[in-house]
Amino acid sequence: GENVEQHPSTLSVQEGDSAVIKCTYSDSASNYFPWYKQELGKRPQLIIDIRSNVGEKKDQRIAVTLNKTAKHFSLHITETQPEDSAVYFCAASIVLGQAGTALIFGKGTTLSVSS
Amino acid sequence: GAVVSQHPSWVICKSGTSVKIECRSLDFQATTMFWYRQFPKQSLMLMATSNEGSKATYEQGVEKDKFLINHASLTLSTLTVTSAHPEDSSFYICSASSSDTSYEQYFGPGTRLTVT
Repeated sequence: GENVEQHPSTLSVQEGDSAVIKCTYSDSASNYFPWYKQELGKRPQLIIDIRSNVGEKKDQRIAVTLNKTAKHFSLHITETQPEDSAVYFCAASIVLGQAGTALIFGKGTTLSVSS
Repeated sequence: GAVVSQHPSWVICKSGTSVKIECRSLDFQATTMFWYRQFPKQSLMLMATSNEGSKATYEQGVEKDKFLINHASLTLSTLTVTSAHPEDSSFYICSASSSDTSYEQYFGPGTRLTVT
């Protein structure tokens, strides 16, 4: 089955620096790769996603890149701010046959932005 | 749009009792709902996937007789933890998707279950 590896598990940066989180996946059939931000005790919030027919997508300070050949995708946050501090999860889609598609999540990265 | 609610937000129950958690899509029809379990400082572990009107598909290692899932309508799925034990204490989160949301998943706020 699908296996999603996420690195690093923790990341500390200074305000204004960039942060990069990387994920790899194993199932070549995966075609949807979302990134979620989760604050303590709250629900995961979708921040950006990318589909397999696109190599890069950007939304203001957040960008995601995808390399389907190498089966890895990355989240880039520029000009980090203290409010970016949270746990970030990557995910990759899997096909469940008649049940549709589901997501398999990486283990998460705790990002701390200090001012 | 794409709002998912979950009820209750937290529940404390005694060992051996059963607890039902509801997940509702408020402004769209959820053809598929997902149930996740999250332990402190850990990732979301997919427990099962449910499609409206059909039996849930459980992930390996998840006991279907212990975690009963019903998806009776396009806006409601329920998870019942039967004969709960302290090790079932966790954060349970549902999510919902449909063709209307381009298969993105929208998460409920989660339910904190504590079994004493």
